[in-house]
Amino acid sequence: AQSVAQPEDQVNVAEGNPLTVKCTYSVSGNPYLFWYVQYPNRGLQFLLKYITGDNLVKGSYGFEAEFNKSQTSFHLKKPSALVSDSALYFCAVRPSGNTPLVFGKGTRLSVIA
Amino acid sequence: DGGITQSPKYLFRKEGQNVTLSCEQNLNHDAMYWYRQDPGQGLRLIYYSQIVNDFQKGDIAEGYSVSREKKESFPLTVTSAQKNPTAFYLCASTHRGQGGTEAFFGQGTRLTVV
Repeated sequence: AQSVAQPEDQVNVAEGNPLTVKCTYSVSGNPYLFWYVQYPNRGLQFLLKYITGDNLVKGSYGFEAEFNKSQTSFHLKKPSALVSDSALYFCAVRPSGNTPLVFGKGTRLSVIA
Repeated sequence: DGGITQSPKYLFRKEGQNVTLSCEQNLNHDAMYWYRQDPGQGLRLIYYSQIVNDFQKGDIAEGYSVSREKKESFPLTVTSAQKNPTAFYLCASTHRGQGGTEAFFGQGTRLTVV
C-alpha cells in the first residue's frame, strides 16, 4: 500500500539558517509528489510538486525539494529560513493519475529569531 | 476569483445530531475530496468523487455520508453514527485524470461536539 513518512514531528531552526523537512514515500511505480504548508486554522497551500524530469524542484516562497528515487525521498529545503516560514508542512504522494493524495502526518517547523 | 469555499468555518454539534458541511468550488474541477485532520495524524481521506453522481469511500468513511449532485458541490454529512466527530475537516478538488496536478483546498470547517 502507498504511504508517506515524515520522520520528524518538529523541526527547529534559527532564522537565516538552512532548513530541511524530510519525507520518504512507499509506492509502486513512478509517483507524483507534493509539498503543502498549513497555517493555523487554515487550509493547505500548495508549495511545489515533482512529476518527472529534474530531481530538484523549485516552488513558492523560496522553497525547493529534491527527489531521490533510490532513497525514495522528497525532502523540502530552503537556503535561509524566515520566522514567517513557521507552520505545519505536509508531504503527499499520488500513486497514479486518478487516485487521491496520500498525506504524511506533517512536520511542524519552528523558525526562531 | 476561483477557489473552494467551505462553510461554516466553525460548527457545533450536539450528541445524536447529524450535521452537514458545505463545500463549493468554481474551478471547474471534476474530482472533489473530503479529508479529516486530527492533531498528529495528518490528513485522512473520508470520501472522494471523480464525477457527478459517483463517489467512493476513503479510509475512514464510517459515520459519514456524501452526495455529488452537481459538479460544483460536494457536501459532507457527519451522522450520529460517527462517535468522535470533533476534528478539522478539509475539502479539496483537482482536475480528473491528471496525476501531476495539485489539489486545491478550502479553508476548512472546525467541528466540535458539545
